[in-house]
Amino acid sequence: GAGVSQSPSNKVTEKGKDVELRCDPISGHTALYWYRQSLGQGLEFLIYFQGNSAPDKSGLPSDRFSAERTGGSVSTLTIQRTQQEDSAVYLCASSPDRQNEKLFFGSGTQLSVL
Amino acid sequence: DQQVKQNSPSLSVQEGRISILNCDYTNSMFDYFLWYKKYPAEGPTFLISISSIKDKNEDGRFTVFLNKSAKHLSLHIVPSQPGDSAVYFCAASSGTYKYIFGTGTRLKVLA
Repeated sequence: GAGVSQSPSNKVTEKGKDVELRCDPISGHTALYWYRQSLGQGLEFLIYFQGNSAPDKSGLPSDRFSAERTGGSVSTLTIQRTQQEDSAVYLCASSPDRQNEKLFFGSGTQLSVL
Repeated sequence: DQQVKQNSPSLSVQEGRISILNCDYTNSMFDYFLWYKKYPAEGPTFLISISSIKDKNEDGRFTVFLNKSAKHLSLHIVPSQPGDSAVYFCAASSGTYKYIFGTGTRLKVLA
């Protein structure tokens, strides 16, 4: 596709359930990021993938959060045992493999944990 | 520890006038800065960037100014249009891939 694609666009879940969020980056982009935006907050870095290198997971808020990227393309962010404070917009972005390159964002997944 | 700060959560400007959005940072290692615009229910879209070797970058109606000594950058929009109404985020990086974003400023351009 032409842009970064995220699914689902909206997800409502009950506290304690697991959720999976998907990101399909721009073709040819080797760098992939996950950010989240909680209400009234900025974009919070979660995790970064670059090619076959080990991901930078330094932004993941707890061990309930994990992410993987298969075949250097599609990525899945998994949140286990969701809590109400996990409610946020989860944004995926991709960029070419070059320093100081702008990020291209998807439309995000609005996650609501009841 | 908020390394990138946008202290004005909102700003209202009359159509045709100048909009000035401000951003402050604390990390002197930041050397690349970007501005993004975000409409509701959409992802942020890139607007303009500036490297620390410059103090100004211009693209059409948008100009970004960088004051390294003050650790301050600003985005000027002239003239402002109703379609510019959105949330604006500044972001900074230190020569790496990790961009630190501010909390955003909601701009409303009044017709």
